[in-house]
Amino acid sequence: DAKTTQPNSMESNEEEPVHLPCNHSTISGTDYIHWYRQLPSQGPEYVIHGLTSNVNNRMASLAIAEDRKSSTLILHRATLRDAAVYYCILSSTTSGTYKYIFGTGTRLKVLA
Amino acid sequence: DTGVSQDPRHKITKRGQNVTFRCDPISEHNRLYWYRQTLGQGPEFLTYFQNEAQLEKSRLLSDRFSAERPKGSFSTLEIQRTEQGDSAMYLCASSLTGLWTTEAFFGQGTRLTVV
Repeated sequence: DAKTTQPNSMESNEEEPVHLPCNHSTISGTDYIHWYRQLPSQGPEYVIHGLTSNVNNRMASLAIAEDRKSSTLILHRATLRDAAVYYCILSSTTSGTYKYIFGTGTRLKVLA
Repeated sequence: DTGVSQDPRHKITKRGQNVTFRCDPISEHNRLYWYRQTLGQGPEFLTYFQNEAQLEKSRLLSDRFSAERPKGSFSTLEIQRTEQGDSAMYLCASSLTGLWTTEAFFGQGTRLTVV
């Protein structure tokens, strides 16, 4: 399974944009990039996913590098409720597997 | 539909006892997953069902663990002869199709403490 690398923790001020990086240098052409976040005492929650093009939704934007070896989750205006662990995950369409492989994620702290 | 629900939310059991957890997925979702999460770690995959068929099991799932999904609806995860190392959050998730192009919905988990 292709692996992702994320910083252990990041801090942001409230109301400011946050860029959460993820490296996935062994990504294959058929791997989707997913982001989930986990608030304290909750199960993971879907944020966004993409394959090649940048993606936007109501929660965030996903910027994917041209060579797809890295991606960045962008929260446009961080709020205190965005404090969570953010996981970057790859899922393969060719391996026949239907599971996510979670790493340890990035713990985002939002400062008031 | 209120999402994926898990029961109980918390369970304390003595070492050596058997425990069973239940997961009710979102009703139209045909895929159901079980994960285990220990403190400070990301969730670890345990097993996956498509409808009632258990299609994949992790090597983490020792023979003391068994999961079922009768009739392709709710699922149960049983742990026999619990050990202290089984203490963790057990998460259930469901999805409509594959995980590539659609999102998985997770429950709030069952926190197991083995004393």
